[in-house]
Amino acid sequence: SQTIHQWPATLVQPVGSPLSLECTVEGTSNPNLYWYRQAAGRGLQLLFYSVGIGQISSEVPQNLSASRPQDRQFILSSKKLLLSDSGFYLCAWSRLSANTGELFFGEGSRLTVL
Amino acid sequence: AQSVTQPDIHITVSEGASLELRCNYSYGATPYLFWYVQSPGQGLQLLLKYFSGDTLVQGIKGFEAEFKRSQSSFNLRKPSVHWSDAAEYFCAVSRSGTYKYIFGTGTRLKVLA
Repeated sequence: SQTIHQWPATLVQPVGSPLSLECTVEGTSNPNLYWYRQAAGRGLQLLFYSVGIGQISSEVPQNLSASRPQDRQFILSSKKLLLSDSGFYLCAWSRLSANTGELFFGEGSRLTVL
Repeated sequence: AQSVTQPDIHITVSEGASLELRCNYSYGATPYLFWYVQSPGQGLQLLLKYFSGDTLVQGIKGFEAEFKRSQSSFNLRKPSVHWSDAAEYFCAVSRSGTYKYIFGTGTRLKVLA
């Protein structure tokens, strides 16, 4: 069976510090990978998606970046965090061959920037 | 523009009562429709999905949803709510040929004992 792991689950960082959130999928190959941010009352905002190693599409101009160094690894990064980067970050995957399928979500990473 | 609207931000129902959560979408093509549930501090879990065929789809935990093309709606229903159904519910839409899933802003369900 397929699983998706995100870490860390909780992170408190000062403004201006770097960020690295990691996401790994197991039990499948060539997945589509996604990073979403969830803010209270605003639903899920798609930040990045990737259809293959090194292929990253950005949906929203921002202080964040994403990388996909391996087929099943997706990393969300920032060089200098802003207060507005606080939120709940969700990694998700879907099957590449049938992108009409559902998204499978990780448990999320809550980031608080102070 | 493509969008998903969940007009109810909060809904409160008594345990055992019926439930309907509304979802309307604006999409240029035949959509693929999803309902997800999120417990506090957790990721999202798929309740059900519609791609084609029978417009009434059954999901997990006793939920069902009906696709109404003429109304651009995909409302979620449950005949008898349990206290464990208290959570936030998200409607989402996608379509073949894209990698994007558009989510509504969610409906938070509170269940009274």
